[in-house]
Amino acid sequence: DIQMTQSPSTLSAFVGDRVTITCRASQSVSSWLAWYQQNPGKAPKLLIYKASSLESGVPSRFSGSGSGTEFTLTISGLQPDDFATYYCQQYSSYSSLTFGGGTKVEIK
Amino acid sequence: QVQLQESGPGLVKPSETLSLTCTVSGYSISSGYYWGWIRQPPGKGLEWIGSIYHSGSTNYNASLKSRVTISADTSKSQISLKLASVSATDTAVYYCARDDRPIRFWGQGALVTVSS
Repeated sequence: DIQMTQSPSTLSAFVGDRVTITCRASQSVSSWLAWYQQNPGKAPKLLIYKASSLESGVPSRFSGSGSGTEFTLTISGLQPDDFATYYCQQYSSYSSLTFGGGTKVEIK
Repeated sequence: QVQLQESGPGLVKPSETLSLTCTVSGYSISSGYYWGWIRQPPGKGLEWIGSIYHSGSTNYNASLKSRVTISADTSKSQISLKLASVSATDTAVYYCARDDRPIRFWGQGALVTVSS
């Protein structure tokens, strides 16, 4: 199975900061990588798919990049609603999906 | 708009079988896509449990495969999850989802606690 490793596990930042979260795959997933945002008590919400495509309705301050085994999610100009936990997920394998361990973005 | 709603017992005894149902509205489950289950233990990350394709074929997480069954009832527009021989480590919020590869539509989640 493909393992997904996110870093950091926790990130402290100010409103307005630019933050970057990294996700590494144990083997190439091409561009079949998604990013989700989860607020406490809520289901995850899709932000980015196919590594860099912005989901409809998601603010443009969110961006994704990478391919193969290294991916990043960048939030340019952190807003109060962005303090949440973020997960990457690979869907390269038709028979198995895996999520990263999550990155909690906290207010500094 | 696609909507998914999980239902089932919130408390299951150890060694018994956890059973959840997901009712789908706004889309016919026989028309396409994968339909899956994901769980999240309290305070922890997301774990994919498995998916069923609209054709009926299934895929399961290797770590749970021996205990999991996912099925679909197209007449009721429902997806079901059965997890056998549960223990406290199976306590989690269980989400059903439409797996568009990626996952675009999620249910609100159902907390299942395994305890005697």
